[in-house]
Amino acid sequence: AQSVTQLDSQVPVFEEAPVELRCNYSSSVSVYLFWYVQYPNQGLQLLLKYLSGSTLVKGINGFEAEFNKSQTSFHLRKPSVHISDTAEYFCAVRNAGNMLTFGGGTRLMVKP
Amino acid sequence: EAGVVQSPRYKIIEKKQPVAFWCNPISGHNTLYWYLQNLGQGPELLIRYENEEAVDDSQLPKDRFSAERLKGVDSTLKIQPAELGDSAVYLCASSQTQLGEQYFGPGTRLTVT
Repeated sequence: AQSVTQLDSQVPVFEEAPVELRCNYSSSVSVYLFWYVQYPNQGLQLLLKYLSGSTLVKGINGFEAEFNKSQTSFHLRKPSVHISDTAEYFCAVRNAGNMLTFGGGTRLMVKP
Repeated sequence: EAGVVQSPRYKIIEKKQPVAFWCNPISGHNTLYWYLQNLGQGPELLIRYENEEAVDDSQLPKDRFSAERLKGVDSTLKIQPAELGDSAVYLCASSQTQLGEQYFGPGTRLTVT
């Protein structure tokens, strides 16, 4: 069985400050990891994914994440956030059958 | 290219009433997923279709929920009768192949009173 834990339910941050959203996973098989963003009243949009290769993954909107196998983590980072980054962020792990297991989400609140 | 379309976007019903949600996946996408997203939580898979065949419905509460994907394109998810605890967002997603990236629709927000 696989599971995902997002350690922070809410992260307030000032505009132009850096941010890190934490994600830890457990899986008994090879992992494929994803970060999705959900803006209010919208569906989920893929930010970035790790399937294999380089452990540092770059995504859209200036976000990046680092896969750390020893710590079973896949934290999301952005060096300078904008007001428009305010949204809910979900970390997910995919199994061999393309089934996604999501974490509980982290609400990023960017303040002016 | 049009994304995943869902309707209605919002639905309010009284408990014990039936309700249905409709999903039109991206053209050419063979795999379709229905997810349940409770308030403040991540989505949870209800059912997955490969073309018209339901290949994973282990999380679908079959006493009141049903789904169909006739002709392997559009899909309908039904609840009958609805309960207060069914209030949530129902998300539909599709992927081109079984292992392809999943694209999500905007969801249907159901409120049961």
